[in-house]
Amino acid sequence: AQSVTQLGSHVSVSEGALVLLRCNYSSSVPPYLFWYVQYPNQGLQLLLKYTSAATLVKGINGFEAEFKKSETSFHLTKPSAHMSDAAEYFCAVSLAGTALIFGKGTTLSVSS
Amino acid sequence: DAGVIQSPRHEVTEMGQEVTLRCKPISGHNSLFWYRQTMMRGLELLIYFNNNVPIDDSGMPEDRFSAKMPNASFSTLKIQPSEPRDSAVYFCASKKGVSTDTQYFGPGTRLTVL
Repeated sequence: AQSVTQLGSHVSVSEGALVLLRCNYSSSVPPYLFWYVQYPNQGLQLLLKYTSAATLVKGINGFEAEFKKSETSFHLTKPSAHMSDAAEYFCAVSLAGTALIFGKGTTLSVSS
Repeated sequence: DAGVIQSPRHEVTEMGQEVTLRCKPISGHNSLFWYRQTMMRGLELLIYFNNNVPIDDSGMPEDRFSAKMPNASFSTLKIQPSEPRDSAVYFCASKKGVSTDTQYFGPGTRLTVL
């Protein structure tokens, strides 16, 4: 069975600091992996996705994630946080493009 | 191009009433998903359709929940009778048939059952 674990339900950073949101997955076959962002009272927006091409994936708003099979990880990073990055972030996995299985989410707070 | 459209955006109803949530997927997408988001359980899949046919409804909580997709441009999620524990945000998402394609989410329907 597939599953996703997001380490840390809440991450706080200062504006300009590195953002690191952790995601580990479990899958018996090569997975497709996704990061979505949710702003308050809005739907989910795709940040980036891994579909077995390049292991370093670049997304929107300066975010990127690296697929590491040996560590079963797909951590999300951004070199310099901006106030507008404050939101909830979800890591998700799917098998062959079927439904998404989401992690519990990580709330990112950015202080000035 | 319009995104996934959901209606209503907010619904407040009393326990025991029937609730119908509606979704219009993006034109040309042939997979449609219903998810539910709660504080306790996070985001979970309820059901998904491919080419208007239900493929996996294992996430539907119980017989009080039903979903239909009568055509490629419309789906409904019905709860009858509703209970306070059904209070949640319900999201609809759609994608094209290619496995690597992105799921696009609607804005959600916030349901409150009193």
